Amino acid sequence: QSALTQPPSASGSPGQSVTISCTGSSSDVGSFDYVSWYQQHPGKAPKLMIYEVSKRPSGVPDRFSGSKSGNTASLTVSGLQAEDEADYYCFSYAGSNNLAFGGGTKLTVL
Amino acid sequence: QLQLQESGPGLVKPPETLSLTCTVSGDSLSRSRYYWAWIRQPPEKGLEWIGTIYYTGSTYYTPSSLKSRLTISVDTSKNQFSLKLSNVTAADTGVYYCASSSSWYRFDYWGQGTLVTVSS
Repeated sequence: QSALTQPPSASGSPGQSVTISCTGSSSDVGSFDYVSWYQQHPGKAPKLMIYEVSKRPSGVPDRFSGSKSGNTASLTVSGLQAEDEADYYCFSYAGSNNLAFGGGTKLTVL
Repeated sequence: QLQLQESGPGLVKPPETLSLTCTVSGDSLSRSRYYWAWIRQPPEKGLEWIGTIYYTGSTYYTPSSLKSRLTISVDTSKNQFSLKLSNVTAADTGVYYCASSSSWYRFDYWGQGTLVTVSS
């Protein structure tokens, strides 16, 4: 069982915005700004989309944004496009030299 | 731009040892201050962090039941790092990824992944 909880699914129509949550605890998400988000298309390796809660690596569209409030981090995808349909995983430092992924969220573009 | 490539047997029998290697290109593993990690994904399931090694040789392993069976090491002469997982069972079946980053709490670069099936 993942230490970080994500909804199993999320969906939105093209052009809309969708937010995926990642709920941890005061021992991980709540205490450290080391949350990252990964996009994974079927049969492909994950890709870093957001790091340190809200920073975007070079090349990631600004439609992707991250935030955090308390023990919950969030990934927002604005202006949904068909190619955004994928699985999304959050990842966080969990203290005591431990790292953890969320269970993953399948994003469907309707 | 780092490039990573996993290699190793696609089939391992229980209770043997799973051994995988990740070959790094684009920089020297010994000179670059990168963290080198292994992540796995069982079929139709989510990602699981296995462990990370720093270029100095310091290791960080998942606190799960995997820890007692794990060894991650670096071979700077071959620009590779490796994973050994002993006493495997069918539950260890999945795609194994190697990854790296300049910060140990994220993964900037990923290999394509390699499927390992544990079966007799």
